Amino acid sequence: SAVISQKPSRDICQRGTSLTIQCQVDSQVTMMFWYRQQPGQSLTLIATANQGSEATYESGFVIDKFPISRPNLTFSTLTVSNMSPEDSSIYLCSVGVSTNSPLHFGNGTRLTVT
Amino acid sequence: TQLLEQSPQFLSIQEGENLTVYCNSSSVFSSLQWYRQEPGEGPVLLVTVVTGGEVKKLKRLTFQFGDARKDSSLHITAAQPGDTGLYLCAGPAINSGGSNYKLTFGKGTLLTVNP
Repeated sequence: SAVISQKPSRDICQRGTSLTIQCQVDSQVTMMFWYRQQPGQSLTLIATANQGSEATYESGFVIDKFPISRPNLTFSTLTVSNMSPEDSSIYLCSVGVSTNSPLHFGNGTRLTVT
Repeated sequence: TQLLEQSPQFLSIQEGENLTVYCNSSSVFSSLQWYRQEPGEGPVLLVTVVTGGEVKKLKRLTFQFGDARKDSSLHITAAQPGDTGLYLCAGPAINSGGSNYKLTFGKGTLLTVNP
């Protein structure tokens, strides 16, 4: 299994600002993903973080709004840009250690935009 | 689109009772996963079912995958307060190529077990 540290655990931000969320894994992992969990909604995949290249975004999510970096096999960041109250959500980093291994999730970042 | 409908959405029971939660879809899934998520934490995988009709047991938890691989259920026997949490089912997303990494999730069943 992998130990995932996600920072910050929570934040309250003003409309129009940006927040960068960090995900650090204690070992090298094949796959890293970012999910969003909105109140009363299911988890939704935002993008796959690709090491050394641009992230692969799911329908409805764009790089300008959610820029993602993954400089190596243990670290990734997700930025929520130009925030609005609709971005209030829990953002979760998840990793796959190797092909067909279970998906592990971080504890999430609870974001409130005022 | 692939939708996973979970029911009930909320469930509050007394310690020692039995319960079943359901996960249904109109689509066929190559596999389904069940997660439990506690407040302030990320989801933790409980089980993966891959064969139609499969039954898996994890202590007091029994998971079943429907014969047609469109639905699954989770039965908890003699529920304990420690079973409290959000139970999520998930399956490979339509554009995942069957991968267990790109997942589509249900909205979950929030279970509260009162002492």
